[in-house]
Amino acid sequence: ELKVEQNPLFLSMQEGKNYTIYCNYSTTSDRLYWYRQDPGKSLESLFVLLSNGAVKQEGRLMASLDTKARLSTLHITAAVHDLSATYFCAGTADRGSTLGRLYFGRGTQLTVWP
Amino acid sequence: NAGVTQTPKFQVLKTGQSMTLQCAQDMNHEYMSWYRQDPGMGLRLIHYSVGAGITDQGEVPNGYNVSRSTTEDFPLRLLSAAPSQTSVYFCASSPTYIWRQETQYFGPGTRLLVL
Repeated sequence: ELKVEQNPLFLSMQEGKNYTIYCNYSTTSDRLYWYRQDPGKSLESLFVLLSNGAVKQEGRLMASLDTKARLSTLHITAAVHDLSATYFCAGTADRGSTLGRLYFGRGTQLTVWP
Repeated sequence: NAGVTQTPKFQVLKTGQSMTLQCAQDMNHEYMSWYRQDPGMGLRLIHYSVGAGITDQGEVPNGYNVSRSTTEDFPLRLLSAAPSQTSVYFCASSPTYIWRQETQYFGPGTRLLVL
Protein backbone atom coordinates (compact mmCIF):
# COMPACT_ATOMS: atom_id res chain seq x y z
CA GLU A 1 0.00 0.00 0.00
CA LEU A 2 1.23 3.47 -0.85
CA LYS A 3 1.03 6.29 1.70
CA VAL A 4 0.63 9.74 0.24
CA GLU A 5 1.04 12.89 2.31
CA GLN A 6 0.23 16.37 1.15
CA ASN A 7 1.07 19.64 2.78
CA PRO A 8 -0.21 22.04 3.53
CA LEU A 9 -3.78 20.81 3.96
CA PHE A 10 -5.11 24.36 3.94
CA LEU A 11 -3.65 27.23 2.00
CA SER A 12 -4.95 30.78 1.94
CA MET A 13 -3.11 33.07 -0.41
CA GLN A 14 -3.49 36.49 -1.89
CA GLU A 15 -4.01 36.99 -5.59
CA GLY A 16 -0.76 37.49 -7.42
CA LYS A 17 1.35 35.48 -4.97
CA ASN A 18 3.26 32.26 -5.61
CA TYR A 19 3.14 29.09 -3.57
CA THR A 20 4.00 25.39 -3.72
CA ILE A 21 2.02 22.35 -2.60
CA TYR A 22 4.09 19.30 -1.65
CA CYS A 23 3.24 15.65 -2.10
CA ASN A 24 5.41 12.97 -0.48
CA TYR A 25 4.83 9.27 -0.98
CA SER A 26 6.08 6.27 0.93
CA THR A 27 7.29 3.74 -1.61
CA THR A 28 8.37 3.73 -5.20
CA SER A 29 5.62 4.94 -7.47
CA ASP A 30 5.85 4.81 -11.24
CA ARG A 31 3.45 7.64 -11.75
CA LEU A 32 2.03 10.60 -9.95
CA TYR A 33 -1.23 12.37 -10.66
CA TRP A 34 -2.67 15.73 -9.73
CA TYR A 35 -6.40 16.38 -9.62
CA ARG A 36 -8.55 19.39 -8.92
CA GLN A 37 -11.90 19.27 -7.16
CA ASP A 38 -14.34 22.17 -6.90
CA PRO A 39 -16.84 22.11 -4.02
CA GLY A 40 -19.58 19.56 -4.60
CA LYS A 41 -18.03 18.46 -7.88
CA SER A 42 -16.09 15.52 -9.23
CA LEU A 43 -12.35 15.28 -9.78
CA GLU A 44 -10.72 16.81 -12.81
CA SER A 45 -7.37 15.55 -14.02
CA LEU A 46 -4.64 18.20 -14.12
CA PHE A 47 -1.35 16.41 -14.66
CA VAL A 48 0.06 12.95 -15.20
CA LEU A 49 3.77 12.66 -14.32
CA LEU A 50 5.36 9.52 -15.65
CA SER A 51 9.09 9.73 -15.02
CA ASN A 52 11.74 11.20 -12.80
CA GLY A 53 12.33 14.84 -13.57
CA ALA A 54 9.01 15.20 -15.39
CA VAL A 55 7.69 18.74 -15.44
CA LYS A 56 4.35 19.79 -16.82
CA GLN A 57 2.75 23.21 -16.98
CA GLU A 58 -0.76 24.39 -17.65
CA GLY A 59 -1.47 28.07 -17.21
CA ARG A 60 -0.48 29.18 -13.71
CA LEU A 61 0.10 25.62 -12.48
CA MET A 62 3.31 23.64 -12.85
CA ALA A 63 3.83 20.11 -11.54
CA SER A 64 7.10 18.23 -11.14
CA LEU A 65 8.19 14.79 -10.03
CA ASP A 66 11.35 13.64 -8.24
CA THR A 67 11.09 9.86 -7.89
CA LYS A 68 14.36 9.58 -5.96
CA ALA A 69 13.08 11.94 -3.26
CA ARG A 70 9.56 10.48 -3.60
CA LEU A 71 8.28 14.01 -3.97
CA SER A 72 5.99 15.83 -6.33
CA THR A 73 5.25 19.53 -6.22
CA LEU A 74 2.46 21.68 -7.60
CA HIS A 75 3.62 25.26 -8.02
CA ILE A 76 1.14 28.09 -8.32
CA THR A 77 2.30 31.23 -10.03
CA ALA A 78 0.53 34.58 -9.61
CA ALA A 79 -2.58 33.04 -8.10
CA VAL A 80 -6.03 34.13 -9.21
CA HIS A 81 -9.40 33.54 -7.57
CA ASP A 82 -10.39 30.92 -10.15
CA LEU A 83 -7.69 28.61 -8.78
CA SER A 84 -9.58 28.27 -5.49
CA ALA A 85 -10.32 24.53 -5.17
CA THR A 86 -9.03 21.40 -3.47
CA TYR A 87 -6.01 19.79 -5.08
CA PHE A 88 -5.19 16.12 -4.70
CA CYS A 89 -2.12 14.16 -5.57
CA ALA A 90 -2.30 10.42 -6.09
CA GLY A 91 0.26 7.72 -6.71
CA THR A 92 0.11 4.11 -7.75
CA ALA A 93 1.94 1.22 -6.12
CA ASP A 94 1.43 -0.99 -9.14
CA ARG A 95 4.47 -1.46 -11.32
CA GLY A 96 4.87 -2.03 -14.98
CA SER A 97 2.47 -1.10 -17.69
CA THR A 98 -0.84 -1.30 -15.84
CA LEU A 99 -2.44 1.88 -14.56
CA GLY A 100 -3.52 0.18 -11.38
CA ARG A 101 -4.85 1.35 -8.06
CA LEU A 102 -4.52 4.97 -7.02
CA TYR A 103 -3.74 6.13 -3.48
CA PHE A 104 -4.72 9.70 -2.72
CA GLY A 105 -3.39 12.33 -0.40
CA ARG A 106 -5.86 14.16 1.86
CA GLY A 107 -5.95 17.15 -0.44
CA THR A 108 -4.93 20.79 -0.16
CA GLN A 109 -7.80 23.23 0.13
CA LEU A 110 -6.67 26.39 -1.63
CA THR A 111 -8.42 29.73 -1.16
CA VAL A 112 -7.24 32.71 -3.17
CA TRP A 113 -8.41 36.09 -1.92
CA PRO A 114 -8.17 39.54 -3.52
CA ASN B 1 -19.49 10.27 -25.21
CA ALA B 2 -21.25 10.59 -21.87
CA GLY B 3 -18.05 9.54 -20.08
CA VAL B 4 -18.62 8.04 -16.62
CA THR B 5 -22.17 8.26 -15.32
CA GLN B 6 -23.45 7.46 -11.84
CA THR B 7 -26.94 7.03 -10.43
CA PRO B 8 -28.47 8.09 -8.18
CA LYS B 9 -26.97 11.50 -7.39
CA PHE B 10 -28.35 11.50 -3.86
CA GLN B 11 -29.69 8.76 -1.63
CA VAL B 12 -30.89 8.51 1.94
CA LEU B 13 -30.99 5.07 3.55
CA LYS B 14 -31.93 3.71 6.92
CA THR B 15 -29.48 1.54 8.81
CA GLY B 16 -29.72 -2.04 7.62
CA GLN B 17 -31.15 -1.27 4.19
CA SER B 18 -29.36 -2.44 1.07
CA MET B 19 -28.92 -0.66 -2.21
CA THR B 20 -26.92 -0.60 -5.42
CA LEU B 21 -25.01 2.38 -6.74
CA GLN B 22 -24.83 2.29 -10.50
CA CYS B 23 -21.82 3.21 -12.61
CA ALA B 24 -21.48 3.07 -16.38
CA GLN B 25 -18.89 4.23 -18.88
CA ASP B 26 -19.03 4.42 -22.67
CA MET B 27 -15.29 4.77 -23.36
CA ASN B 28 -14.60 1.04 -23.59
CA HIS B 29 -12.24 1.27 -20.61
CA GLU B 30 -10.98 -1.96 -19.12
CA TYR B 31 -10.29 -0.60 -15.66
CA MET B 32 -13.05 0.61 -13.33
CA SER B 33 -12.99 1.42 -9.66
CA TRP B 34 -15.04 2.73 -6.75
CA TYR B 35 -13.81 5.26 -4.22
CA ARG B 36 -15.34 6.89 -1.21
CA GLN B 37 -14.58 10.41 -0.07
CA ASP B 38 -15.11 11.52 3.49
CA PRO B 39 -14.74 15.12 4.75
CA GLY B 40 -11.11 16.17 5.04
CA MET B 41 -9.96 12.93 3.51
CA GLY B 42 -8.69 11.97 0.15
CA LEU B 43 -10.36 9.28 -1.87
CA ARG B 44 -10.04 5.72 -0.65
CA LEU B 45 -10.34 2.76 -2.98
CA ILE B 46 -13.18 0.33 -2.21
CA HIS B 47 -13.08 -2.18 -5.08
CA TYR B 48 -11.70 -2.25 -8.56
CA SER B 49 -11.93 -4.29 -11.74
CA VAL B 50 -9.44 -4.81 -14.55
CA GLY B 51 -12.02 -6.24 -16.91
CA ALA B 52 -15.32 -8.04 -17.19
CA GLY B 53 -15.52 -10.90 -14.73
CA ILE B 54 -12.49 -9.74 -12.70
CA THR B 55 -12.76 -7.76 -9.47
CA ASP B 56 -10.56 -7.22 -6.45
CA GLN B 57 -10.58 -5.42 -3.12
CA GLY B 58 -9.12 -2.03 -2.42
CA GLU B 59 -8.29 -0.31 0.86
CA VAL B 60 -11.77 -0.27 2.42
CA PRO B 61 -13.86 -3.15 0.97
CA ASN B 62 -15.82 -4.21 4.05
CA GLY B 63 -19.58 -3.82 3.68
CA TYR B 64 -19.47 -3.53 -0.10
CA ASN B 65 -19.79 -5.97 -2.98
CA VAL B 66 -19.10 -5.52 -6.66
CA SER B 67 -19.45 -7.49 -9.86
CA ARG B 68 -18.48 -6.78 -13.44
CA SER B 69 -20.55 -8.66 -15.99
CA THR B 70 -19.93 -6.19 -18.84
CA THR B 71 -17.16 -3.78 -19.79
CA GLU B 72 -19.54 -0.83 -19.43
CA ASP B 73 -21.07 -1.37 -15.99
CA PHE B 74 -19.62 -1.67 -12.51
CA PRO B 75 -22.30 -1.54 -9.78
CA LEU B 76 -21.47 -1.18 -6.10
CA ARG B 77 -23.73 -2.93 -3.59
CA LEU B 78 -24.15 -1.95 0.02
CA LEU B 79 -25.26 -5.12 1.77
CA SER B 80 -26.56 -3.65 5.03
CA ALA B 81 -26.06 0.09 5.25
CA ALA B 82 -24.42 1.58 8.34
CA PRO B 83 -24.00 5.24 9.35
CA SER B 84 -20.24 4.83 8.82
CA GLN B 85 -20.99 4.40 5.11
CA THR B 86 -22.30 7.95 4.86
CA SER B 87 -19.99 9.38 2.23
CA VAL B 88 -19.63 10.56 -1.33
CA TYR B 89 -18.96 7.71 -3.72
CA PHE B 90 -17.06 8.16 -6.94
CA CYS B 91 -16.74 5.72 -9.78
CA ALA B 92 -13.76 6.00 -12.12
CA SER B 93 -12.57 4.33 -15.28
CA SER B 94 -9.45 4.24 -17.41
CA PRO B 95 -7.65 2.23 -20.03
CA THR B 96 -5.39 -0.30 -18.35
CA TYR B 97 -2.13 0.45 -20.07
CA ILE B 98 -0.15 3.57 -19.33
CA TRP B 99 1.56 4.02 -22.64
CA ARG B 100 -1.54 5.87 -23.65
CA GLN B 101 -0.60 8.30 -20.86
CA GLU B 102 -4.13 8.14 -19.60
CA THR B 103 -5.48 8.99 -16.21
CA GLN B 104 -8.61 7.88 -14.42
CA TYR B 105 -11.84 9.61 -15.38
CA PHE B 106 -14.26 10.21 -12.55
CA GLY B 107 -18.03 10.19 -12.49
CA PRO B 108 -20.06 12.98 -10.87
CA GLY B 109 -20.45 11.13 -7.59
CA THR B 110 -23.29 9.76 -5.44
CA ARG B 111 -23.95 11.39 -2.08
CA LEU B 112 -25.17 8.80 0.40
CA LEU B 113 -26.61 9.49 3.83
CA VAL B 114 -27.29 6.57 6.15
CA LEU B 115 -29.51 7.35 9.11
